[in-house]
Amino acid sequence: DAKTTQPPSMDCAEGRAANLPCNHSTISGNEYVYWYRQIHSQGPQYIIHGLKNNETNEMASLIITEDRKSSTLILPHATLRDTAVYYCIVRLYNNNDMRFGAGTRLTVKP
Amino acid sequence: DGGITQSPKYLFRKEGQNVTLSCEQNLNHDAMYWYRQDPGQGLRLIYYSQIVNDFQKGDIAEGYSVSREKKESFPLTVTSAQKNPTAFYLCASMGQFFSGNTIYFGEGSWLTVV
Repeated sequence: DAKTTQPPSMDCAEGRAANLPCNHSTISGNEYVYWYRQIHSQGPQYIIHGLKNNETNEMASLIITEDRKSSTLILPHATLRDTAVYYCIVRLYNNNDMRFGAGTRLTVKP
Repeated sequence: DGGITQSPKYLFRKEGQNVTLSCEQNLNHDAMYWYRQDPGQGLRLIYYSQIVNDFQKGDIAEGYSVSREKKESFPLTVTSAQKNPTAFYLCASMGQFFSGNTIYFGEGSWLTVV
């Protein structure tokens, strides 16, 4: 069973915020939420991760709902270079199982 | 420089032949992974290994085999039992759990079966 559910595709206008949702309704208390993105056929790039608090770094913000059943990745000012496939992953605390799933293909348009 | 080296980058093989893709890392990482990616699709986990001499099946292990005899090496064999092996294959390794940004990927191997 998939641990996360993401929309297959989204569009965003250049310069606007891109909000990418992820549903993880079966997340357990010791699982983290991670976000990665993949541009073309390169390996996925780490963006951000969190447990229950909202997080922000130089690339993005991560908003996790209070019940932790869903999260949103926010790219505050999307550029054309942000066009990529974005993956939301939940990881067990004591296991290195890393399954990326289908992800969301974000297209930033001029 | 530290990193992951995959070889070969492009590989052509005849149907029915086994082929082995190499993955070497000098990052001293315990965990290593193999993923398959088909055009326009996400990454699917084939196998992963958390320590030497141990590995677990991912979502699409059928038709593939791996070994982990050394910490640095995690080769993937695509056997003749794999029905549709033509794809892009990515190898990865990861360090400590607490740093989820320590997963590193190789440049990938394009396998075409003719």
